[in-house]
Amino acid sequence: EAGVAQSPRYKIIEKRQSVAFWCNPISGHATLYWYQQILGQGPKLLIQFQNNGVVDDSQLPKDRFSAERLKGVDSTLKIQPAKLEDSAVYLCASSHLRQGGNIQYFGAGTRLSVL
Amino acid sequence: AQSVAQPEDQVNVAEGNPLTVKCTYSVSGNPYLFWYVQYPNRGLQFLLKYITGDNLVKGSYGFEAEFNKSQTSFHLKKPSALVSDSALYFCAVRDIRATSGTYKYIFGTGTRLKVLA
Repeated sequence: EAGVAQSPRYKIIEKRQSVAFWCNPISGHATLYWYQQILGQGPKLLIQFQNNGVVDDSQLPKDRFSAERLKGVDSTLKIQPAKLEDSAVYLCASSHLRQGGNIQYFGAGTRLSVL
Repeated sequence: AQSVAQPEDQVNVAEGNPLTVKCTYSVSGNPYLFWYVQYPNRGLQFLLKYITGDNLVKGSYGFEAEFNKSQTSFHLKKPSALVSDSALYFCAVRDIRATSGTYKYIFGTGTRLKVLA
């Protein structure tokens, strides 16, 4: 079984530029999560999808961050414009609705550096 | 609101010695608790979970965790540490959203485990 795929692995941009991250979850997983992990902290949920609907985006800074999962499979997270404090690892995870007791499977993440 | 705390930023242990990584939780109702491990430049990997049943939960790579309701703790343990166990460990609790009945996960700040040869 293929795992959660994320790209790119690394990205360096200057502040005020835009950036997009892509995630392809494990096949059949209805729930997809985007987390932000700042160095020295635990993952913080940015947005959670169930199929192509948003379950929770309460911690997504909507003035600059957006995310979509149009066909209920892969997802894109965008930041526009980026700020220095957005430097972090962005993790995508997926889980099956019923199997596995809601275990989340994580991708390797995208490390973003904003200069 | 549910929360977890990992009181130690780092734990050092000699190879072959037992290890413990601490986690305490605060929940209303029955807790659903998880441990994940993160190796350098990798995503988090599931180790084990507690939902109900035996207080001692066995997981991947020889790890186990002890659920203690009276102390509201869920400490991660391994009888004999390996150098390859050196990584970042996260405790997490599952919370339910009252408005939608869906689940979300709250992670601790992580504990860096360093196993010395």
